[in-house]
Amino acid sequence: QVQLQESGPGLVKPSQTLSLTCSVSGGSISSGSYYWSWIRQPAGKGLECIGRIYTSGSTNYNPSLKSRVTISVDTSKNQFSLKMSSVTAADTAVYYCARDYYGDYDPWGQGTLVTVSS
Amino acid sequence: DIQMTQSPSTLSASVGDRVTITCRASQSISGWLAWYQQKPGKAPKLLIYKASSLESGVPSRFSGSGSGTEFTLTISSLQPDDFATYYCQQYNTYLYTFGQGTKLEIK
Repeated sequence: QVQLQESGPGLVKPSQTLSLTCSVSGGSISSGSYYWSWIRQPAGKGLECIGRIYTSGSTNYNPSLKSRVTISVDTSKNQFSLKMSSVTAADTAVYYCARDYYGDYDPWGQGTLVTVSS
Repeated sequence: DIQMTQSPSTLSASVGDRVTITCRASQSISGWLAWYQQKPGKAPKLLIYKASSLESGVPSRFSGSGSGTEFTLTISSLQPDDFATYYCQQYNTYLYTFGQGTKLEIK
């Protein structure tokens, strides 16, 4: 059974770069026809797709975040990563990684809270 | 982007009630819709995919229907574990988008 786990700093200063990693266990990130995705949720609010990566390295990004976001994959470590530059308080949220199988997200990581504050 | 609108935003109901949540898309998404349940402090959990297909392990009291622009999630007989927030999500076109959520509360 595939499981995902996010990791990374919980506090990032404004204007700096947010970096998170999602570790995949219970299966190879390279197997199957999956995209690997990042989704975020500000406190008390809804869900927003950030972007996704296929194991070939092909990516899709939310146009509203595209200029600040990079998603990459490391198949040797069975991980994929998110970098978001020039963060502001508006980027404070719980960040989830998830597997995307032709559109529906399952499973999800447990989520990690990232706070942008000086 | 395709906009997803759920109604109601909040729903108060009792154990044993039958409840329905509606999700409308700003344009046709065929049947490319999923429903998720989220409890406080937890990640969303996939309940329904392709509008009406029940995810493995999800109780049969959950059902989904619809196509095009209008979809519904029905819980046939509410159980105490069902009080949570529910989200619809379209995956007809990337950027995938979610509804704003429906909070199901105990009456």
